[in-house]
Amino acid sequence: DGGITQSPKYLFRKEGQNVTLSCEQNLNHDAMYWYRQDPGQGLRLIYYSQIVNDFQKGDIAEGYSVSREKKESFPLTVTSAQKNPTAFYLCASSRTPGALLNEQFFGPGTRLTVL
Amino acid sequence: LAKTTQPISMDSYEGQEVNITCSHNNIATNDYITWYQQFPSQGPRFIIQGYKTKVTNEVASLFIPADRKSSTLSLPRVSLSDTAVYYCLVGDWAYGNNRLAFGKGNQVVVIP
Repeated sequence: DGGITQSPKYLFRKEGQNVTLSCEQNLNHDAMYWYRQDPGQGLRLIYYSQIVNDFQKGDIAEGYSVSREKKESFPLTVTSAQKNPTAFYLCASSRTPGALLNEQFFGPGTRLTVL
Repeated sequence: LAKTTQPISMDSYEGQEVNITCSHNNIATNDYITWYQQFPSQGPRFIIQGYKTKVTNEVASLFIPADRKSSTLSLPRVSLSDTAVYYCLVGDWAYGNNRLAFGKGNQVVVIP
């Protein structure tokens, strides 16, 4: 089955610790994205990558870091500098940037709780 | 990215047609209109995309008037499983700008 996987589904961390969220896709998509969603809110873009070894900041990149060493993988690190990291994190991917139909495929999400 | 405005929530009875509206007064010439659906604790799912007039697929229809300043997503004969948040997005994705801007969406509740 083709799709996007995120792990783990639930994650608990102590305040001050860095944590890395996994995102893997086997859809052969060039572009990948990380979003954050808070209760009752829409999704906000953290980082996105249009091609391997390249990524750009989204609207709320402070306190987060990413890497894109492989086409299939786009891990997100939530650092201790992120003031309010507890949230639902969603990873997505889409076909070649500039495609007419920018349909993004989303993973199941990781719910991060910082204690 | 053009800003969109949607009602916060709406209720509908099972079996009825549901029309969900979206306002995008500053839509640009190259912008397309896309709708996503999100169930609780899941990622959004693409529903439909259009530029003008009417687009229909196996799930929904999208109506866009001539001035393109608004759009309406129509869901035929909804069931309880259609209860979800529906997001309207606008962007010029054909020109390399593949960022999506999600607002708060419209919470649709289907009542038995």
